[in-house]
Amino acid sequence: DTGVSQDPRHKITKRGQNVTFRCDPISEHNRLYWYRQTLGQGPEFLTYFQNEAQLEKSRLLSDRFSAERPKGSFSTLEIQRTEQGDSAMYLCASSSRQGSVETQYFGPGTRLLVL
Amino acid sequence: EDQVTQSPEALRLQEGESSSLNCSYTVSGLRGLFWYRQDPGKGPEFLFTLYSAGEEKEKERLKATLTKKESFLHITAPKPEDSATYLCAPKAAGNKLTFGGGTRVLVKP
Repeated sequence: DTGVSQDPRHKITKRGQNVTFRCDPISEHNRLYWYRQTLGQGPEFLTYFQNEAQLEKSRLLSDRFSAERPKGSFSTLEIQRTEQGDSAMYLCASSSRQGSVETQYFGPGTRLLVL
Repeated sequence: EDQVTQSPEALRLQEGESSSLNCSYTVSGLRGLFWYRQDPGKGPEFLFTLYSAGEEKEKERLKATLTKKESFLHITAPKPEDSATYLCAPKAAGNKLTFGGGTRVLVKP
């Protein structure tokens, strides 16, 4: 398995446009997470899926953000009406629970720049 | 609210100069503390998980330790390839990781 993949790796958009990012988790992982990371900061949790169910959302996830995981495999994160403050690295992670152990493995991220 | 503070923010070391990074946390019901390494422009890479006070884990030149309120990442005789940002993330009940701001380590030859 090649790990978590994300597409695109970079995205430049103009303020007000919509963007969509894709995450393909490690194939046997049923849990998927989205985080956002700004320069010089650690990642901040956005949302979490177990299979196709979105079980937790951060208050950081405004109503312009929506995430889906339609068949419990890949996930998409859409940002509508982008703002300059949305510029960040968007990270996806996946995991599976084995007993009491769960490790989140991260993808390479999608770097978004809103002009 | 869960809080995580990493210090120092940045660390410049000469090759071979050992040092320690600190992660202080306030988390209710710790379920594990994770250390990740992050290279510029890349996603975090998993290093260790520590579950209970007194636990230690090692990987090459890195050793992580855990107390009830802190974790330390010791870098012994670092090499330039150890240059990266090191992130700690305690995990409380629930599913999300709460990351600190990271320590940027630069090892000069």
